[in-house]
Amino acid sequence: QQQVKQSPQSLIVQKGGISIINCAYENTAFDYFPWYQQFPGKGPALLIAIRPDVSEKKEGRFTISFNKSAKQFSLHIMDSQPGDSATYFCAASINTGNQFYFGTGTSLTVIP
Amino acid sequence: ETGVTQSPTHLIKTRGQQVTLRCSSQSGHNTVSWYQQALGQGPQFIFQYYREEENGRGNFPPRFSGLQFPNYSSELNVNALELDDSALYLCASSSGSVNTEAFFGQGTRLTVV
Repeated sequence: QQQVKQSPQSLIVQKGGISIINCAYENTAFDYFPWYQQFPGKGPALLIAIRPDVSEKKEGRFTISFNKSAKQFSLHIMDSQPGDSATYFCAASINTGNQFYFGTGTSLTVIP
Repeated sequence: ETGVTQSPTHLIKTRGQQVTLRCSSQSGHNTVSWYQQALGQGPQFIFQYYREEENGRGNFPPRFSGLQFPNYSSELNVNALELDDSALYLCASSSGSVNTEAFFGQGTRLTVV
């Protein structure tokens, strides 16, 4: 059973556009929701994370929107750049315990 | 670089063999988690070690086992390898405290033939 569902599977965006990736979860005990970025041949790297006590968190061009009642959260990448081309994973855990449930990933391609 | 190093980077094993993967955690981190990432999928939690004790396990059979050493480095052992064990194995270290980030290594690519 997939605890965290992610969509879309792949995304193509023009340079300067907005990339949006969505995730949904079922377990209401989750209280930490990170987004990871992974380049080929590398391990995932933390991009941005949010806790359910806030509805939005912004760091530079990256924003997480969180809807606790709908059990959904999304990543918005503003002014997308070719260097953002990577696979993005949403995840969820309890108490940031490094026991993450990951989504299935979104392959983002930003075309110049 | 995250300071988490894994070895080896690539490995080819035959079905039925045993394999040991190693992870050196970031300085100051006492918690290591292992994940299996099949091609095109998200990482799946295998188990976690905190101060040398297993501290949680995902839905993996007992032939997946681990160790954590006093310096908090860790090993993942897989016995009786199956073709479906072919994957990228990731370790992630953290300090074990709430509100702290987990740092991933670059992974070990295991191919079972």
